[in-house]
Amino acid sequence: SYELTQPLSVSVALGQPATITCGGDSVGLQSVHWYQQRPGQAPVLVINRNSNRPSGIPERFSGSKSSDTATLTISSAQIGDEADYYCQVWVNYRAVFGTGTKVTVL
Amino acid sequence: EVSFLASGGGLVQRGGSLRLSCAASGFSFSTHAMSWVRQAPGKGLEWVSSISGSATTSDYADSVMGRFTISRDNAKSILYLQMNSLTAEDTAIYHCAAFYRGSGIDYWGQGTLVTVSS
Repeated sequence: SYELTQPLSVSVALGQPATITCGGDSVGLQSVHWYQQRPGQAPVLVINRNSNRPSGIPERFSGSKSSDTATLTISSAQIGDEADYYCQVWVNYRAVFGTGTKVTVL
Repeated sequence: EVSFLASGGGLVQRGGSLRLSCAASGFSFSTHAMSWVRQAPGKGLEWVSSISGSATTSDYADSVMGRFTISRDNAKSILYLQMNSLTAEDTAIYHCAAFYRGSGIDYWGQGTLVTVSS
């Protein structure tokens, strides 16, 4: 079965960069998508197909991918970026989500 | 503006059934594949099921295979999830979600809460 592993939590000082990694065998084979989920809200797509930022997503969000690790970077973390973040790949019509990372902005 | 109206959630006894509905508007429903994604209290996102835009292809998580059935009515822009033989492990918020195959999930509904009592 496919598994995507993320760090449980990331803490970052206000205005500093934050990076969240997503690892797994399927990362190198598939496009990786990233979602932000604030408490009590539905997820929001922040990075599509490894590195593409959907309309309306701030430029401080970026994505990259190496052979087996995808990375979401927030270049200058803001208070509003405090949320859970999930990576995701598709295996045909099956969505595989990462374990999720809680980002705390100090 | 994209919106979803989910219904059908609620409290059900173990072994019971529920049918979730998700009425979509504001985008081309029939050209988007659709999924149900659930989130148990305090837990992460878990994919449940997907169906292609034409409804010719569907798939299920192993945890719900044989118990849940996904379907859609493109004429009415409604997604369904028939859930049978419910267990406490099915307790979660169920989100409907729209995507183009291979792309990220563009649109998410707020979800409907399903609680299975033991």
